[in-house]
Amino acid sequence: DGGITQSPKYLFRKEGQNVTLSCEQNLNHDAMYWYRQDPGQGLRLIYYSQIVNDFQKGDIAEGYSVSREKKESFPLTVTSAQKNPTAFYLCASSIITGTSGRMSGELFFGEGSRLTVL
Amino acid sequence: DQQVKQNSPSLSVQEGRISILNCDYTNSMFDYFLWYKKYPAEGPTFLISISSIKDKNEDGRFTVFLNKSAKHLSLHIVPSQPGDSAVYFCAASAAGGTSYGKLTFGQGTILTVHP
Repeated sequence: DGGITQSPKYLFRKEGQNVTLSCEQNLNHDAMYWYRQDPGQGLRLIYYSQIVNDFQKGDIAEGYSVSREKKESFPLTVTSAQKNPTAFYLCASSIITGTSGRMSGELFFGEGSRLTVL
Repeated sequence: DQQVKQNSPSLSVQEGRISILNCDYTNSMFDYFLWYKKYPAEGPTFLISISSIKDKNEDGRFTVFLNKSAKHLSLHIVPSQPGDSAVYFCAASAAGGTSYGKLTFGQGTILTVHP
């Protein structure tokens, strides 16, 4: 079955600790994304990557870091610099179409990881 | 600055009736709009989309209407079913430049369909 797998589903962290959320896809999609969902705020883009070894900051990248060493994998590290890390984190992927590199319009999402800082 | 707004946090309708979910946007560069459906503790799933060259797109019970002059779109679900109960997100993307691949989401509307 093709899809996006996020792990862990639930994670607890003490203040001051870094934590890494895993995202793996077997859809052969070029682009991958990390979003954060907070109550009443919708989904906000943290980082995205359209090709291996390249990634761009989204709207709320501060306190986060990513890597894209393989096409299938796009892990997100929530660092101790992130002031309010408790949230629901969603990884997504999409194909890239056309010469302009425009996404197809449809993101495929994983099931999410809920991070709670104690 | 909320460029995509869903001003109704929740909507409750009776099974069999029409559900209308609304979305407003402010960025005139947006040219592609999508609706996603999300159940609790799951990732959103794509529902329907519309390009700015159209004013209506229909897929089964779901129809999206786009009013570019008003910068407004709506999702109609007819007839509504209890299984439609979920959070619905409106999203938009802009043409060209570094905006490709980036969706801007609204806050979401919780739809509850009562049997």
